Amino acid sequence: GENVEQHPSTLSVQEGDSAVIKCTYSDSASNYFPWYKQELGKGPQLIIDIRSNVGEKKDQRIAVTLNKTAKHFSLHITETQPEDSAVYFCAATSNTGNQFYFGTGTSLTVIP
Amino acid sequence: NAGVMQNPRHLVRRRGQEARLRCSPMKGHSHVYWYRQLPEEGLKFMVYLQKENIIDESGMPKERFSAEFPKEGPSILRIQQVVRGDSAAYFCASSSTGGQNEQFFGPGTRLTVL
Repeated sequence: GENVEQHPSTLSVQEGDSAVIKCTYSDSASNYFPWYKQELGKGPQLIIDIRSNVGEKKDQRIAVTLNKTAKHFSLHITETQPEDSAVYFCAATSNTGNQFYFGTGTSLTVIP
Repeated sequence: NAGVMQNPRHLVRRRGQEARLRCSPMKGHSHVYWYRQLPEEGLKFMVYLQKENIIDESGMPKERFSAEFPKEGPSILRIQQVVRGDSAAYFCASSSTGGQNEQFFGPGTRLTVL
């Protein structure tokens, strides 16, 4: 099955700086890669996603890049704000699309 | 358009009791997924259902756990004879199309087994 690894597990940045979270996956059949933000006590919220036929996607301060050859994808948050503090999870789909495989999460703290 | 709804939000059970977790998908979504999250860990897939059918239950323990998504009403995740190791957050997600596409998550049910 798919194996998704995520780094770093914790990340602290100063407000206004950028944050980068990286993930790798193992199954070349995966073609959909979502990123979720999870705040304490809440469910994961989809913040951005990318498909394997695209190398980069941007939505305001958030961007995702995908290197299909190397099987890795990254989340970039620019001009971080305190409300960006949360746990972020990457995911990749199984080859059947029946399930998501999640990374182990990155706890992001934005220091005011 | 209401999001995915789950209830109860918190559930406390004693060892040996049954836990029933309910999930109402987003309007128009017929694909439901259940995931389990242990403290400080990522989400782990349990089961994928479409109306009245279990499509993939490869992540669900063979004993004590069952899931259904009837023609009418919410999807139910049922855990019989709960043990302390079942304590976790259980999340439901729904999708309009299935396959390698967006899944939208509910707020979760936090199960505590005493």
